[in-house]
Amino acid sequence: DAKTTQPTSMDCAEGRAANLPCNHSTISGNEYVYWYRQIHSQGPQYIIHGLKNNETNEMASLIITEDRKSSTLILPHATLRDTAVYYCIVRVRDTNAGKSTFGDGTTLTVKP
Amino acid sequence: GAGVSQSPRYKVTKRGQDVALRCDPISGHVSLYWYRQALGQGPEFLTYFNYEAQQDKSGLPNDRFSAERPEGSISTLTIQRTEQRDSAMYRCASSLVFGIHEQYFGPGTRLTVT
Repeated sequence: DAKTTQPTSMDCAEGRAANLPCNHSTISGNEYVYWYRQIHSQGPQYIIHGLKNNETNEMASLIITEDRKSSTLILPHATLRDTAVYYCIVRVRDTNAGKSTFGDGTTLTVKP
Repeated sequence: GAGVSQSPRYKVTKRGQDVALRCDPISGHVSLYWYRQALGQGPEFLTYFNYEAQQDKSGLPNDRFSAERPEGSISTLTIQRTEQRDSAMYRCASSLVFGIHEQYFGPGTRLTVT
């Protein structure tokens, strides 16, 4: 799997957009970008994934650069409950895609 | 609907004892994954199953660790002759179809070896 690099921590003001970057410069053509988050001691929660087009769902938007070497997860109006560790993962989607490498993620702190 | 459940939620055991951790995936989910998570770190992959077949066990630290999923549903992760370094949160996840990475995680089992 391609290695990902994320900042260790970020702060965001409540109500503002939180933009979390991820570098994956060695990503290959058939690898998707996935984002998960982990709130306090809960299990990780799936947020969104994409291949090359930008994606949006009820939780967030995912912007992938044209060369696919980096991406940004956007939480449009961050709330205090969005304080969590956010993980960016790069993975192929095939029958052998079981092993996942989470890394240490970005700790996002949303401040009032 | 019901999510992934794990039991026990907390387990304290003495060094040298065997422990069995149980995972009950979301009904109908084909793939099941085990992770270990140390405090302040991301989940570390241990092993995964498609149905009852163990597809990859490359993340199991040593031969004291084993996992099974005999009927393609509930899975058990067994640690024999536990050591203090085995203390961690053990998490289970399941996904609807193999090859799809949207995994749903359980609450975890906090294992403490004294």
